[in-house]
Amino acid sequence: ETGVTQSPTHLIKTRGQQVTLRCSSQSGHNTVSWYQQALGQGPQFIFQYYREEENGRGNFPPRFSGLQFPNYSSELNVNALELDDSALYLCASSSRDRGPKEQFFGPGTRLTVL
Amino acid sequence: QKEVEQNSGPLSVPEGAIASLNCTYSDRGSQSFFWYRQYSGKSPELIMFIYSNGDKEDGRFTAQLNKASQYVSLLIRDSQPSDSATYLCAVPHSGGGADGLTFGKGTHLIIQP
Repeated sequence: ETGVTQSPTHLIKTRGQQVTLRCSSQSGHNTVSWYQQALGQGPQFIFQYYREEENGRGNFPPRFSGLQFPNYSSELNVNALELDDSALYLCASSSRDRGPKEQFFGPGTRLTVL
Repeated sequence: QKEVEQNSGPLSVPEGAIASLNCTYSDRGSQSFFWYRQYSGKSPELIMFIYSNGDKEDGRFTAQLNKASQYVSLLIRDSQPSDSATYLCAVPHSGGGADGLTFGKGTHLIIQP
């Protein structure tokens, strides 16, 4: 069984730029959730994708957007980067066909905004 | 807005003792509860979940849920130095569980040899 993978591992951007992060879900999973984890904090839910549509969103502005592809992989796009966007971005996959919705995390992408 | 509260610690426990980690949540409609372990520099790893009142045991770990008090805890028996990590409590972002998870800030646990 293949686990959740994310790319890239690390990324450095400057304020105002745009970034795309990628995630491949675990084999057999059809749902992908994205989280932002600042240093010393718990992960914060950004949004979730199921059947290529957004299925729930946390308290994040529209400049955070995403996509899910037919193979269930997903992208997180962040426009107009701000210094506070520096964080670990985590992707988690799950299956809506099974309860109670355990999510399995990838290794994360560390984003630094200068 | 759902909230999940945890004492950030650090919680220091001697090796071999029982570590007790606590979590309270704001939404009475929450149906399932998750405990994740996160080692420094790594991603969260699911330890166990619980959705019925009472206790659920899995090896050295026991989750306890009290919906009336909106309280969930994690007990780690025979604590080992390898248990030193941050423990995150989480509930579904929406009551139906179709969304992502709302996490607490985590409790930093240190097992002293």
